[in-house]
Amino acid sequence: KAGVTQTPRYLIKTRGQQVTLSCSPISGHRSVSWYQQTPGQGLQFLFEYFSETQRNKGNFPGRFSGRQFSNSRSEMNVSTLELGDSALYLCASSPGTRNEKLFFGSGTQLSVL
Amino acid sequence: LAKTTQPISMDSYEGQEVNITCSHNNIATNDYITWYQQFPSQGPRFIIQGYKTKVTNEVASLFIPADRKSSTLSLPRVSLSDTAVYYCLVGPPMNRDDKIIFGKGTRLHILP
Repeated sequence: KAGVTQTPRYLIKTRGQQVTLSCSPISGHRSVSWYQQTPGQGLQFLFEYFSETQRNKGNFPGRFSGRQFSNSRSEMNVSTLELGDSALYLCASSPGTRNEKLFFGSGTQLSVL
Repeated sequence: LAKTTQPISMDSYEGQEVNITCSHNNIATNDYITWYQQFPSQGPRFIIQGYKTKVTNEVASLFIPADRKSSTLSLPRVSLSDTAVYYCLVGPPMNRDDKIIFGKGTRLHILP
């Protein structure tokens, strides 16, 4: 079974631009969650999607948004990029039921210049 | 979701057994305890999950006392490749009402 795939692996943008990151979950998984990881703040929850619906959201500004498609693939978008948005963005998939483990992708390393 | 507290860092030597303890004083009745391992520039990887007493798999053991207010991840005979950050996560990973909160993790450094 293929793992969680995130694209692109690396991305360089400048302030004010927007970016879209993609996540393909493990086949059969219906839940996708997104995280931002920085050296100072650790691993922070952005949002979670299940069956195309956002069912949980972390404490991030509205510039951070996401969506999930009918095939469970998910995208997250960051608009009006700021220097502080430089981070490793991780997505994780799971079947979507309680207490199951999370399967993470390798992440997208975003650098904002 | 229950808040967790772990040591920020630990050092050990190859071949030793390493125990990392996580405190979660306000764990709820339905909460499970899950541990993840993360290497630099990679996503976290599931290690082990438990609810009470002891759970063992091919890579680790998880000890949970009766009051469930703490848990200990035990890594037998560590090697240099076990150098990583270890996260303790408490709660149903996909609780409908709670956000998923990872703590700061424990940075484990294995020395030769």
